[in-house]
Amino acid sequence: DAGITQSPRHKVTETGTPVTLRCHQTENHRYMYWYRQDPGHGLRLIHYSYGVKDTDKGEVSDGYSVSRSKTEDFLLTLESATSSQTSVYFCAISEQVPNTEAFFGQGTRLTVV
Amino acid sequence: DAKTTQPNSMESNEEEPVHLPCNHSTISGTDYIHWYRQLPSQGPEYVIHGLTSNVNNRMASLAIAEDRKSSTLILHRATLRDAAVYYCILRDYSGGSNYKLTFGKGTLLTVNP
Repeated sequence: DAGITQSPRHKVTETGTPVTLRCHQTENHRYMYWYRQDPGHGLRLIHYSYGVKDTDKGEVSDGYSVSRSKTEDFLLTLESATSSQTSVYFCAISEQVPNTEAFFGQGTRLTVV
Repeated sequence: DAKTTQPNSMESNEEEPVHLPCNHSTISGTDYIHWYRQLPSQGPEYVIHGLTSNVNNRMASLAIAEDRKSSTLILHRATLRDAAVYYCILRDYSGGSNYKLTFGKGTLLTVNP
């Protein structure tokens, strides 16, 4: 299995509190992605990174920020969590070229109460 | 971004072949066609990918139309463990050397014993 780890795996937090999810890889892949998955919506891209300190927005980036200070770590931050951000979050990694596979983490289930 | 269209759901019987279709009429010449699947309570996993020619691996086969506007994932003998959501995606070239990885809602495959 590819070396990709998400932490925490489960979290319950209160509305208005900041939350940071971590994605850690040992594969030295250039690209890292954060997705959220909700019933009826499939996987939606939040942010992605194409290198250290290089990030870009996905389709549902409002309310989220990311940082990548090291190749192996990609952090997703909810500055002030809302109930609409209750979801399952997945991290993924891939090489730069489009003919290689992406690898996904096991997901983080976040509940905002 | 190039988009894909898949049926919401399909049903199959165990040990029978399954053909999962995907339409991608706006595909560009450099887009690779990827298939991933997501088993219940897990992150997505890679199945297969191709560019122009049909591809086979231990999990499945990928048949790509000559005009590349559609493709079909073929599971030769479905098992109960193949019950999952199957995603057909295109590796987007989003400018410079950046590659997004954008998912749709996928096809929910049910396998009957």
